[in-house]
Order: sequence, then C-alpha cells, then structure tokens
Amino acid sequence: DQQVKQNSPSLSVQEGRISILNCDYTNSMFDYFLWYKKYPAEGPTFLISISSIKDKNEDGRFTVFLNKSAKHLSLHIVPSQPGDSAVYFCAASARTGYYGQNFVFGPGTRLSVLP
Amino acid sequence: EAGVAQSPRYKIIEKRQSVAFWCNPISGHATLYWYQQILGQGPKLLIQFQNNGVVDDSQLPKDRFSAERLKGVDSTLKIQPAKLEDSAVYLCASSLGEGMRLQETQYFGPGTRLLVL
Repeated sequence: DQQVKQNSPSLSVQEGRISILNCDYTNSMFDYFLWYKKYPAEGPTFLISISSIKDKNEDGRFTVFLNKSAKHLSLHIVPSQPGDSAVYFCAASARTGYYGQNFVFGPGTRLSVLP
Repeated sequence: EAGVAQSPRYKIIEKRQSVAFWCNPISGHATLYWYQQILGQGPKLLIQFQNNGVVDDSQLPKDRFSAERLKGVDSTLKIQPAKLEDSAVYLCASSLGEGMRLQETQYFGPGTRLLVL
C-alpha cells in the first residue's frame, strides 16, 4: 500500500526550461511535505518543504505547490540547470505522538536536465 | 556545521554473517532515524529514537535487526544473521526533535551500501 506515489519514474527537460515533478498521497493525516534531492552514492539532501496550512512555498528556483483537496503536490524548478539532474524524492509526514513523526517517502523521480 | 556521519560507506558480507553500521547525528539533534533503501525504492523507516528511547520500531524486523542509541548521541544498527534481501543502502537521518514543533526536517547521512552474497 503506497501512501506516497511518484508516478513518473523519470523526466527529461531541456536546460533553461521548467521541470515539474509530481507527487500524490493517500493519507489525509499527513500535514508536512518535503522534497529531497539525491545524487548517486550520497544521502538525500533536503530541498524544500511545505506545511499543510500553506498551498505554496518558494525558495529561489524551487517552488512547491500543495493541493490538499486533490492530495497532490508538485515541485517546480525554473530554470532547470544540468546540476539539477538527480533523483527527487517526495516525502510526507504525520504526527504520531509528542515526539513521533512518521515520514513516508515516494519511490523517486529521476530528473535529467539536458544541455 | 558538520552533517550526519555514517560508517562504513560500503560493506560486502556473505549471508548468515553479521554486520553493524554506525551513525553520528548532527550535534544537538535529539531525534535519530534509520532507514533502509532498496534499489529503485524510496527510503523505508526502520526505527526512530528520541534521545536514547525508541519512538517507533514497528517496521524493524526484530528477529534479525537491532539498534541502540545508549547515550542519546550516536547509534548502531546491527543485522544478525544477514539475508540476501537485506542488500540495500542503510541511511541514518537526524532532526532537532523539539516535540510539537510543526516543521521538523530530517537531514540524512551519506548511507552505508550493504551487499549480501
């Protein structure tokens, strides 16, 4: 039972254009969403996050949009650069107690930015 | 600020052998997580510590996996005996662990790549 889905295993985009990575979730208890970027042989690196009380969060070239009614979020990268080529993981989090925070990750989308 | 440290980076063992991984979280981070990432999948949580106590170990295969964080700082994850399907990257992550703080971001180490033959 995949609670967090990234239905596109891979995406290719031309340098300078917009990259849009999508993520869907099923658990309505998730209240915090994160995007991580992963290069080969490295651990995931935190990129950007959004709380369920917002519908948009921007950080430089990266913008995350959240549509709670559709249980959908997306990551926009504008403009895309060759260094953005990596695997992108969507993660969702729900509180499970005072200290508990249940993080669930999607399977990832491999982004290739072509020069 | 130093990141999450893990060792070793790579390990090759035969099935039925034992193996241990070490993690040192970011200084001051009270919460520590161990994840298993199988090729082509996202990380799956194995165990979560708050200081030296276990918060969630519901997905840890306790017949062969164990983990400890005795002094509430660094942690070890052990597999004994290993099976072929344990081949994966084992990731450690940490977060501040301030309780009801709404936004708690995890920071990951580089991972340990395990191959069981």
